[in-house]
Amino acid sequence: AQSVSQHNHHVILSEAASLELGCNYSYGGTVNLFWYVQYPGQHLQLLLKYFSGDPLVKGIKGFEAEFIKSKFSFNLRKPSVQWSDTAEYFCAVNANTDKLIFGTGTRLQVFP
Amino acid sequence: EAQVTQNPRYLITVTGKKLTVTCSQNMNHEYMSWYRQDPGLGLRQIYYSMNVEVTDKGDVPEGYKVSRKEKRNFPLILESPSPNQTSLYFCASSLSVRGGHGYTFGSGTRLTVV
Repeated sequence: AQSVSQHNHHVILSEAASLELGCNYSYGGTVNLFWYVQYPGQHLQLLLKYFSGDPLVKGIKGFEAEFIKSKFSFNLRKPSVQWSDTAEYFCAVNANTDKLIFGTGTRLQVFP
Repeated sequence: EAQVTQNPRYLITVTGKKLTVTCSQNMNHEYMSWYRQDPGLGLRQIYYSMNVEVTDKGDVPEGYKVSRKEKRNFPLILESPSPNQTSLYFCASSLSVRGGHGYTFGSGTRLTVV
């Protein structure tokens, strides 16, 4: 069965630190990959997505992610986090089915 | 404004009392879905619908029903709620899941069953 793994459950950083959140999926074929963000008390919003083409994808608010097919990974990065990035981050994959499978999420806390 | 509207935002109910959470989208999306979000478990799909009158079970369908009589609406029905259905529920819609369009989410419904 398809699955998505986010190994970092809780990440704590100081402002200006660099961020990398891991995401691995299990499916050998063509995939569409997504990162969503959920700010406290709010719904999920799309940060960025990979559909095809350049494996380095740039999203909103300075986030980017790199699709590495050989590693089945789609890690999220930001060079310098801000306090306002405090949120929960979800990786999701669609592997040519009618479902979008989500990871269990990574809670990011950024301290001033 | 393109959006998915869920109601109510908060709901406290008693075990066994039937309830319906409404979901409506104004983007003419064919695909709609319900998820529940629980701490440590992420989002788990309850039901989804590819189009009007077409619904399918997700990963955790037990205790839930849905209907898709119109394209814009996709209500979630709990016929006999139980405490283990206390959760945060999200409705989502998409132009095409396979087409890489992703979801637009509603604001969520926090349900407590006592």
